[in-house]
Amino acid sequence: SQQGEEDPQALSIQEGENATMNCSYKTSINNLQWYRQNSGRGLVHLILIRSNEREKHSGRLRVTLDTSKKSSSLLITASRAADTASYFCATVLNAGNMLTFGGGTRLMVKP
Amino acid sequence: DGGITQSPKYLFRKEGQNVTLSCEQNLNHDAMYWYRQDPGQGLRLIYYSQIVNDFQKGDIAEGYSVSREKKESFPLTVTSAQKNPTAFYLCASSNQAGGPNEQFFGPGTRLTVL
Repeated sequence: SQQGEEDPQALSIQEGENATMNCSYKTSINNLQWYRQNSGRGLVHLILIRSNEREKHSGRLRVTLDTSKKSSSLLITASRAADTASYFCATVLNAGNMLTFGGGTRLMVKP
Repeated sequence: DGGITQSPKYLFRKEGQNVTLSCEQNLNHDAMYWYRQDPGQGLRLIYYSQIVNDFQKGDIAEGYSVSREKKESFPLTVTSAQKNPTAFYLCASSNQAGGPNEQFFGPGTRLTVL
């Protein structure tokens, strides 16, 4: 079973708008990571947030983590057509160092 | 250029045949992983290796086999026992120093069984 579940499954916005994707998980984690995948390609790591952190920024990306609610969100500000991709959250459990992926959010940014 | 490579990009196989997917990395990472991705889905872990000559089953290891004879290489064999092998296969590696870190992914191999 998948540890992380993304919401929404698909999101379509206009260029310049912000995009927010959410991820929920079930058990205690060491860290949570967000990845991006362009169609038919490998995944690219975006941000890693540890269980003792609440927020991290990287350029136009902002990730939050709420361990009490077992949830995380990825915010992409001022979106561009080039941001069109699938975005996955992945969790690393406290008991190990394997990544468990959610089903992803498919983001389409219209020019 | 440092990175992780997979070959071939596309692979076609007849039912009943074994096929081996290549994964090579020059990042000096100890850990390597194989994932399977079905259309519109997330990644599922097939096998992983944290050190040379050692590997562990992931969530969906049945019908697959791996070897880790060299640090740089982690080939995956899809055997005839795998009932539904058509999928996109992704290899990754990571540096485990200091705890679980980000994984670096190859470009993937798309396997189609004819």
